Amino acid sequence: GAGVSQSPRYKVAKRGQDVALRCDPISGHVSLFWYQQALGQGPEFLTYFQNEAQLDKSGLPSDRFFAERPEGSVSTLKIQRTQQEDSAVYLCASSPPTLDHSGRPQHFGDGTRLSIL
Amino acid sequence: AQSVTQLDSHVSVSEGTPVLLRCNYSSSYSPSLFWYVQHPNKGLQLLLKYTSAATLVKGINGFEAEFKKSETSFHLTKPSAHMSDAAEYFCVLQTGANNLFFGTGTRLTVIP
Repeated sequence: GAGVSQSPRYKVAKRGQDVALRCDPISGHVSLFWYQQALGQGPEFLTYFQNEAQLDKSGLPSDRFFAERPEGSVSTLKIQRTQQEDSAVYLCASSPPTLDHSGRPQHFGDGTRLSIL
Repeated sequence: AQSVTQLDSHVSVSEGTPVLLRCNYSSSYSPSLFWYVQHPNKGLQLLLKYTSAATLVKGINGFEAEFKKSETSFHLTKPSAHMSDAAEYFCVLQTGANNLFFGTGTRLTVIP
């Protein structure tokens, strides 16, 4: 079946513009995660949804970052008034429901590479 | 505190020779540990996972890793490198339901 799909693959924006990044998780996956991966670094956690509920947003770097998943499937990560330091690859991942959360691998999309000029 | 340390930022091997990518972890809890691979401009693909069952874990593409609690290590190995193995490899620690801690990655170069 289809994997996690992210769009657009590449996004260039001018500093100060708002951007919206989309994630289509694997069908049936209740958990959805957003990560930020700076150049040459490992991904860093941004936020986590279980169905439509945003259970953890502790990784969002500022109040300019906002994520939603209104119907418990597709999610959008929005960044307002973009800054150059927002330039990164934004990865989305999803995972299926399990009784035990331990060892539950996440399935990643190919990411959106965001460049702020 | 939870953390993952990948000891080498870059490893270079010749095709057909063994691969060793080193990872140490720190966790207050019984850890779940993963190795993911990332090819250029692609997302992360799961290679293998450890979840307190067998300490020697076999993954895809001939990779395996051994969990050593006494050494707090989870090194990734492969007996014989292929050109297609050239990529970035991440050691990942999971604590709780949703927290993944990524190492900084090891770039593997395979020399023909």
